[in-house]
Amino acid sequence: LAKTTQPISMDSYEGQEVNITCSHNNIATNDYITWYQQFPSQGPRFIIQGYKTKVTNEVASLFIPADRKSSTLSLPRVSLSDTAVYYCLVGGPDGGTYKYIFGTGTRLKVLA
Amino acid sequence: DAMVIQNPRYQVTQFGKPVTLSCSQTLNHNVMYWYQQKSSQAPKLLFHYYDKDFNNEADTPDNFQSRRPNTSFCFLDIRSPGLGDAAMYLCATSGLQLTGKGTYEQYFGPGTRLTVT
Repeated sequence: LAKTTQPISMDSYEGQEVNITCSHNNIATNDYITWYQQFPSQGPRFIIQGYKTKVTNEVASLFIPADRKSSTLSLPRVSLSDTAVYYCLVGGPDGGTYKYIFGTGTRLKVLA
Repeated sequence: DAMVIQNPRYQVTQFGKPVTLSCSQTLNHNVMYWYQQKSSQAPKLLFHYYDKDFNNEADTPDNFQSRRPNTSFCFLDIRSPGLGDAAMYLCATSGLQLTGKGTYEQYFGPGTRLTVT
């Protein structure tokens, strides 16, 4: 199972683009990469999911290089309400079961 | 709205007194997960059910058990809570969408914060 690491924290200003990376050197063939946002005392909220290349939705983009050993979540034009902890989650089907591991989490602070 | 519900949101139990946390879902997903999240740490997968099949993580203590009586409900039982079991417990689901398309996106409940006194 892929061990996943992220920067501990990041600061940004309102209106800037923020890129958060996740390293998963041992990612398996069947593993997907999913990013979540978590506010204090709440469950993680889905942001975006991908397998390879680039995925974009209305709130974020996800960049996954060809070797899939890392991924980058891109948040365009962040606002104060984007202050939260961001986790990557790596895993998927594994021989009739599922295996998942969360990244270490990145605490994003958006400043006015 | 389809969702994942956890009850109670806050639970206080005494050291060694069994406690049960519950999770229900209206998504009709076939997979349900339990995670433990300690303060300032990432969630850690304890176990999951794929339909009725129980899958335990290798490092989940025997003190933690789970039951899934039907598709909608799943329970986390802590047989003898210790001080180290104080944490947020998160339930999540995943499965086929209404379109029939499979996805590994997990939907999380709000969590139950367990305090052990």
